[in-house]
Amino acid sequence: EAQVTQNPRYLITVTGKKLTVTCSQNMNHEYMSWYRQDPGLGLRQIYYSMNVEVTDKGDVPEGYKVSRKEKRNFPLILESPSPNQTSLYFCASSLGQGAHEQYFGPGTRLTVT
Amino acid sequence: DAKTTQPPSMDCAEGRAANLPCNHSTISGNEYVYWYRQIHSQGPQYIIHGLKNNETNEMASLIITEDRKSSTLILPHATLRDTAVYYCIVRGLSGTYKYIFGTGTRLKVLA
Repeated sequence: EAQVTQNPRYLITVTGKKLTVTCSQNMNHEYMSWYRQDPGLGLRQIYYSMNVEVTDKGDVPEGYKVSRKEKRNFPLILESPSPNQTSLYFCASSLGQGAHEQYFGPGTRLTVT
Repeated sequence: DAKTTQPPSMDCAEGRAANLPCNHSTISGNEYVYWYRQIHSQGPQYIIHGLKNNETNEMASLIITEDRKSSTLILPHATLRDTAVYYCIVRGLSGTYKYIFGTGTRLKVLA
């Protein structure tokens, strides 16, 4: 089944403890991106990747890192999480930059205390 | 990228057509209109997109005005499972290809 998977789905952690949220897609998509969703603010793009080893900042990149060493994986790294990074995170992928349909993962609910 | 304006919420009776409006008065000629929906806190789901012409697929129809400043998503026979937040997005196929999600319209389908 074609899908985008994220792990973990739920995570509670403490301030400053490094964490990684994994994202994987099995559709051979070139384009992948990360969003965060907060009440009243909609989805905001954190980082995106147009292909392997090509990443760029979205609208809210501060406090996050990404890497794209393989086409299928696009992990989101929080080196030193803070409470303001408590949010619902979504990974998405599409065939290419200009593809019309973006496929979203199920989401990761992160709480930083 | 153009900004969109949508009503924050709408109700629709089950079995009736749901018409969700979107204003995108600053859209430029090479920008597409996309609709996604999000059920509860699941990942958003693509519905449909269009450039100038009206479009229809198995999920919905998209009507774009001639001046392209607004559009309407039509769910022809709304069911309870269509209760969701619907996002109208305008995006060009150049530059960053960025999707800008607003806060959408919360559609409630009533039994």
